[in-house]
Amino acid sequence: NAGVTQTPKFQVLKTGQSMTLQCAQDMNHEYMSWYRQDPGMGLRLIHYSVGAGITDQGEVPNGYNVSRSTTEDFPLRLLSAAPSQTSVYFCATILPGTGGTEAFFGQGTRLTVV
Amino acid sequence: AQSVTQPDIHITVSEGASLELRCNYSYGATPYLFWYVQSPGQGLQLLLKYFSGDTLVQGIKGFEAEFKRSQSSFNLRKPSVHWSDAAEYFCAVGGRGTYKYIFGTGTRLKVLA
Repeated sequence: NAGVTQTPKFQVLKTGQSMTLQCAQDMNHEYMSWYRQDPGMGLRLIHYSVGAGITDQGEVPNGYNVSRSTTEDFPLRLLSAAPSQTSVYFCATILPGTGGTEAFFGQGTRLTVV
Repeated sequence: AQSVTQPDIHITVSEGASLELRCNYSYGATPYLFWYVQSPGQGLQLLLKYFSGDTLVQGIKGFEAEFKRSQSSFNLRKPSVHWSDAAEYFCAVGGRGTYKYIFGTGTRLKVLA
């Protein structure tokens, strides 16, 4: 059981390039989300999805697109990378429950935009 | 406004000393509270969580946290720190029916041998 898998682990992009950060989960969770982590700012929610075909914006969605065609996958797309998108990106799923929720995180993708 | 405040950016303690990391939250509904730990280059691992019931919760690696509603706090404690506890710690708040977590800015713990 791999849990939440993110690829790649590291990426360097030039300004204006596009790329897709991959996130796959084998936990059969409906809810998936993307966060970015920046020094001194904690984790901020970019986009999330409550199930296949359903996505919504989080706190910092500008410059990012998502789609959710399957339960397992939730890719994050940068259409035209900017230096401000240099960050560490985390994908997470949440296990719902009657007593509350628990998030499971991937190992992260460290992105540098030059 | 919903928010989580971790007032200590960095904390340094000696190995074997006790530890308390502070977390204050602002949340409009009944809060679900979490502490996560992040080792260098790694993802976030759940240490403990509070949903309801006993306000003192036990977690993994010998950590505990106490929920104090009157103070809007959820401080993390450990009686004796080990060198392997050096990491960054994040407090987070969520709520029933929502999957959106709000994270604090983190506290980086350094442990002196």
